[in-house]
Amino acid sequence: QQQVKQSPQSLIVQKGGISIINCAYENTAFDYFPWYQQFPGKGPALLIAIRPDVSEKKEGRFTISFNKSAKQFSLHIMDSQPGDSATYFCAASIQGGSEKLVFGKGTKLTVNP
Amino acid sequence: NAGVTQTPKFQVLKTGQSMTLQCAQDMNHNSMYWYRQDPGMGLRLIYYSASEGTTDKGEVPNGYNVSRLNKREFSLRLESAAPSQTSVYFCASKKSGTLGGEKLFFGSGTQLSVL
Repeated sequence: QQQVKQSPQSLIVQKGGISIINCAYENTAFDYFPWYQQFPGKGPALLIAIRPDVSEKKEGRFTISFNKSAKQFSLHIMDSQPGDSATYFCAASIQGGSEKLVFGKGTKLTVNP
Repeated sequence: NAGVTQTPKFQVLKTGQSMTLQCAQDMNHNSMYWYRQDPGMGLRLIYYSASEGTTDKGEVPNGYNVSRLNKREFSLRLESAAPSQTSVYFCASKKSGTLGGEKLFFGSGTQLSVL
């Protein structure tokens, strides 16, 4: 059972464009939704995270939009740059629960110059 | 600050051989995790340790064993390697029990090939 579904699997964007990656979850008990960024040959690193008490969180060019009723959340990368080319993973967990993060399958983003 | 250190970085095994992947963190974190990453499959949890002295199975524990040696170290053992265990393995750690402590810190991974 895949608890967090992520799409698209791959994404190609031109420099300066907007990259949008979507995730949907099933477990309504999830209350923490992070996005991780992974460059080739490296481990994933936390990019930005949101809790369900807010609908949007912005950090620089990166924004998470959260729709609790639809059980969906998305990552928007504004003014995408070639340096943003990486694999992005959404995830979800229950704070204070089993301490386990459930990850989506990942989106490989390529930003062309 | 070293963070999470994994050894080795690369390993080639023959089917049936055994090996242990080592992981150590220097951030005084309580919780440690082992994930495997396969193309198109994302990150799947193998085992985790919420605190020193405890370990629990994750999503794909078959064929693996773990040891939480102390608060710093969490090892993953393959007793009899199979080609299906060819993957990139990541160790991770985080604080637990505190608000905002959910951030996972990952090591740089071990690329394992089983022939």
